Amino acid sequence: DAGVIQSPRHEVTEMGQEVTLRCKPISGHDYLFWYRQTMMRGLELLIYFNNNVPIDDSGMPEDRFSAKMPNASFSTLKIQPSEPRDSAVYFCASMPDRWYLTGELFFGEGSRLTVL
Amino acid sequence: GENVEQHPSTLSVQEGDSAVIKCTYSDSASNYFPWYKQELGKRPQLIIDIRSNVGEKKDQRIAVTLNKTAKHFSLHITETQPEDSAVYFCAASQTGNQFYFGTGTSLTVIP
Repeated sequence: DAGVIQSPRHEVTEMGQEVTLRCKPISGHDYLFWYRQTMMRGLELLIYFNNNVPIDDSGMPEDRFSAKMPNASFSTLKIQPSEPRDSAVYFCASMPDRWYLTGELFFGEGSRLTVL
Repeated sequence: GENVEQHPSTLSVQEGDSAVIKCTYSDSASNYFPWYKQELGKRPQLIIDIRSNVGEKKDQRIAVTLNKTAKHFSLHITETQPEDSAVYFCAASQTGNQFYFGTGTSLTVIP
């Protein structure tokens, strides 16, 4: 398996523009997570899905952020409109449902977002 | 919700010395504690984990200890090598699908 695949790897945009980050989880994994990483706050959970259903989105900063998972192999995180404080590395991670056997989160390479 | 605190935020050690990173958690229901290593520009990767029914776990040069009463757990790296230089994150989870991460420790091993 190729692992968790994220795109784009780097995105530079201007304030006010819409940003869409994409994630393809590992096949067979039932959980998908979106994290944001900054120097100040470390890894913050934004939202996670179980079997394509959003379970907890309490970490989504505000209404400008939205996430979808239309099927088991694809998820998007959208920021509209983007602001400079959204600049961060966004990680997608997936995990199988057998967490009691292995609780390992498999992270993608991340999408580095810069909002000017 | 759970609150995980991690110390120190930065750590420098001489090659061959030991490094210790400590984390505390607030929710006594948390029962799974993984540690992730993130090399510069790379993704976090699991290096070791421990469950609440175990007090200590070792894997070659790394070990993790857990004190459930005090609600803290630690990562120990012995005989450090330059390739151990990275950011290390601890995390706590109750359900296995809601992970709360510490803010990370940047470890530098000086040759």
